Amino acid sequence: EVQLVESGGGLVQPGGSLRLSCAASGFTFSSYWMSWVRQAPGKGLEWVANIKQDGSEKYYVDSVKGRFTISRDNAKNSLYLQMNSLRAEDTAVYYCAREATYYDSSGYPAVTNDYWGQGTLVTVSS
Amino acid sequence: IRMTQSPFSLSASVGDRVTITCRASQSISSYLNWYQQKPGKAPKLLIYAASSLQSGVPSRFSGSGSGTDFTLTISSLQPEDFATYYCQQIYSTPRTFGQGTKVEIK
Repeated sequence: EVQLVESGGGLVQPGGSLRLSCAASGFTFSSYWMSWVRQAPGKGLEWVANIKQDGSEKYYVDSVKGRFTISRDNAKNSLYLQMNSLRAEDTAVYYCAREATYYDSSGYPAVTNDYWGQGTLVTVSS
Repeated sequence: IRMTQSPFSLSASVGDRVTITCRASQSISSYLNWYQQKPGKAPKLLIYAASSLQSGVPSRFSGSGSGTDFTLTISSLQPEDFATYYCQQIYSTPRTFGQGTKVEIK
């Protein structure tokens, strides 16, 4: 059974730092891209970042570029999000999610987030 | 790429046919997924590649569209379908979501 378990959330002051972790099990972690997606309280989903299987490619939403760093440790089946210079608008539940490519009946590829963790809440406030 | 869903919310009764639309700010071919989210829970993948049903998802859910205009249809709304639905483009990074459509009980 695929499981993704986030940890590391909490209350942090503006300008502070926090490191989120996501422990993966039930699948070959090193074979998948992984993502972070966040959701501010009462708001919609926002894609934050993703990372290639070997960590050689990383992509970020503009609002976190230069402040957040996504990384992974395939030996530990773990995904991380280092968050620096935190702002009030970073307050959200942060989900890690597996990226998997599915193919429709025509062989058309589609990248999906097919498994998600339960999320960890980050609150940025003084 | 900006994704715009409509309506923002809707009220419907069990058994109703429900349609949610999603429009992309530029053509994304069929690179579109739909997710369902219930309160306090993680999103769940429903539809990928605009119209392919994820394994285990009831056949009352269907998706259509390509280019810039997409639709999620629930043919006969069931009590467990009351939730918020999101489209997401996977044509390019960042993989933007629509703002969500909340389906409420009438």
